[in-house]
Amino acid sequence: NAGVMQNPRHLVRRRGQEARLRCSPMKGHSHVYWYRQLPEEGLKFMVYLQKENIIDESGMPKERFSAEFPKEGPSILRIQQVVRGDSAAYFCASSPLGKGTGGNTDTQYFGPGTRLTVL
Amino acid sequence: GEDVEQSLFLSVREGDSSVINCTYTDSSSTYLYWYKQEPGAGLQLLTYIFSNMDMKQDQRLTVLLNKKDKHLSLRIADTQTGDSAIYFCAENPDNQGGKLIFGQGTELSVKP
Repeated sequence: NAGVMQNPRHLVRRRGQEARLRCSPMKGHSHVYWYRQLPEEGLKFMVYLQKENIIDESGMPKERFSAEFPKEGPSILRIQQVVRGDSAAYFCASSPLGKGTGGNTDTQYFGPGTRLTVL
Repeated sequence: GEDVEQSLFLSVREGDSSVINCTYTDSSSTYLYWYKQEPGAGLQLLTYIFSNMDMKQDQRLTVLLNKKDKHLSLRIADTQTGDSAIYFCAENPDNQGGKLIFGQGTELSVKP
């Protein structure tokens, strides 16, 4: 069973360009979470999605950032008009079921991350 | 409020035990987690503990939970150089949806 896949692993963008980060959850997982890790810091929650639904986007910046998890295909985190402060590692995690389902079915498994550098 | 605190650095000698400490603020957290991050890599789930437990042991890893003091620790027995990494504790508060709240991470350095 393949783990959580993210691509690209490294992404370089110039200021003002768009960045698209992709995440394929583990097989059988229908819940996806995105986190951002700034240099020398811990991970900060951004958004939690199920298929075709955004469940919690309380950690997403109000502008330029959006996320989706379509019925078919990977989850996408999109950053428009990137700025230098967007440079970070972006991690995706998936879980089999969601919060409150009991046991360890909401345990989150992380992908290798996408390291975004904005020049 | 949501705040998870860890000390930033720990240095031990190979073969010694390492103890990484963490304090959290949300008493509603059902599960508490330890993740390991090696340089340039993602987070690897090491272990987790259910909030009604005091202790969980898994091979070289022992997790202790003091719910009254909101204190969590990870003990690594017989620490090896391959254990050098950053260790993150995380809580999963019941009233915060599915998100994990992470500490800043403790960088463990194991010297031969």
